Amino acid sequence: AQKITQTQPGMFVQEKEAVTLDCTYDTSDQSYGLFWYKQPSSGEMIFLIYQGSYDEQNATEGRYSLNFQKARKSANLVISASQLGDSAMYFCAMRESVPGSARQLTFGSGTQLTVLP
Amino acid sequence: EAQVTQNPRYLITVTGKKLTVTCSQNMNHEYMSWYRQDPGLGLRQIYYSMNVEVTDKGDVPEGYKVSRKEKRNFPLILESPSPNQTSLYFCASSSRLATNPRLETQYFGPGTRLLVL
Repeated sequence: AQKITQTQPGMFVQEKEAVTLDCTYDTSDQSYGLFWYKQPSSGEMIFLIYQGSYDEQNATEGRYSLNFQKARKSANLVISASQLGDSAMYFCAMRESVPGSARQLTFGSGTQLTVLP
Repeated sequence: EAQVTQNPRYLITVTGKKLTVTCSQNMNHEYMSWYRQDPGLGLRQIYYSMNVEVTDKGDVPEGYKVSRKEKRNFPLILESPSPNQTSLYFCASSSRLATNPRLETQYFGPGTRLLVL
């Protein structure tokens, strides 16, 4: 089974509207971290937001917020007031705590967001 | 400026010709990783390193080698490249687990686009 599932290969949103990018995950760990990264067409990976499994409140970073529903194992990214510069590929990722190991991030397949003027 | 650097950024080579992609970070991070990114597959981990002289396989290690002789450097070596190693490669680094989990955020290099003919 996939660890991270992003079911939306592509999304369109009108400028200034909000958009939600879906992410579900699969883990048996109690302690884990969830990340969202943005990859513009230039290729670099830009960290957006982090949510810890024990965080009681949903994470927010400016126009980005993470809708964390632990029981459903979902960590959707919400972008408010979309801008043309938000057009990019967005990746959801999870870091699990594995004792004695340094397992790093597991990534989803990504969602290509296009913001329309 | 805190950063992860990779060289070269672009490389075209032929099957079987050994190559090395360098990665260096200036944040004194213990953990370093290599990922490859392919369309529809997201990022997959190739190798990672917990610290100097400590490396381990990720999800797709076949055909790659790494070394960690210094804390700041983590080169990726392709001894005999093949066309199926044509991909976008990312190096990333992060600090050890800390009381503040946000410190676990991975910082990515700019990426290396490799074409193996």
